[in-house]
Amino acid sequence: AQSVAQPEDQVNVAEGNPLTVKCTYSVSGNPYLFWYVQYPNRGLQFLLKYITGDNLVKGSYGFEAEFNKSQTSFHLKKPSALVSDSALYFCAVRDDNFNKFYFGSGTKLNVKP
Amino acid sequence: DAGVIQSPRHEVTEMGQEVTLRCKPISGHNSLFWYRQTMMRGLELLIYFNNNVPIDDSGMPEDRFSAKMPNASFSTLKIQPSEPRDSAVYFCASSSYRATEAFFGQGTRLTVV
Repeated sequence: AQSVAQPEDQVNVAEGNPLTVKCTYSVSGNPYLFWYVQYPNRGLQFLLKYITGDNLVKGSYGFEAEFNKSQTSFHLKKPSALVSDSALYFCAVRDDNFNKFYFGSGTKLNVKP
Repeated sequence: DAGVIQSPRHEVTEMGQEVTLRCKPISGHNSLFWYRQTMMRGLELLIYFNNNVPIDDSGMPEDRFSAKMPNASFSTLKIQPSEPRDSAVYFCASSSYRATEAFFGQGTRLTVV
């Protein structure tokens, strides 16, 4: 079965500190992995994706994510958090066979000044 | 491209009335997805189309919900009759096949009173 897990409902971090938002996945076939961000009263915005190649993927707004095949993880990271990064973050996997997107439950990131 | 366009942005209706939500996907995209987002259930996939054909509607909650995609540039999600528990934000998203990301519209906030 295809699935995505975001084990933390909420992550709190101080501005300037590094942040990590966790994601693990389960999918048959090749995993296509994505991160999205949602600000209040807005749609989901694409941040970055892993398709193939280098395990460290760089995306928008200074975010990056590391693909780890052995741990089936795709954690989102940023070296130095900003207050403006506070939002809801979703991890997603797209199944190569069915083309569906499976989204995690979301993690609320709070960055405090 | 203007992105995925949804209308209306907000809809307030009385219980029992018919509601129609509209979506214009990004030109050239093959896949279209309808999602519903609530606090309790998070982001739920309702239905998705490939090349205007419904592929998986297992997420459609009841027969009161129906979706159509008469051509590559337009889709509707209809609820008839509407109920208060249908109150949610409904998102439309589109993408190309396989390894590409989905782009989301701004959503329609539906309130059924």
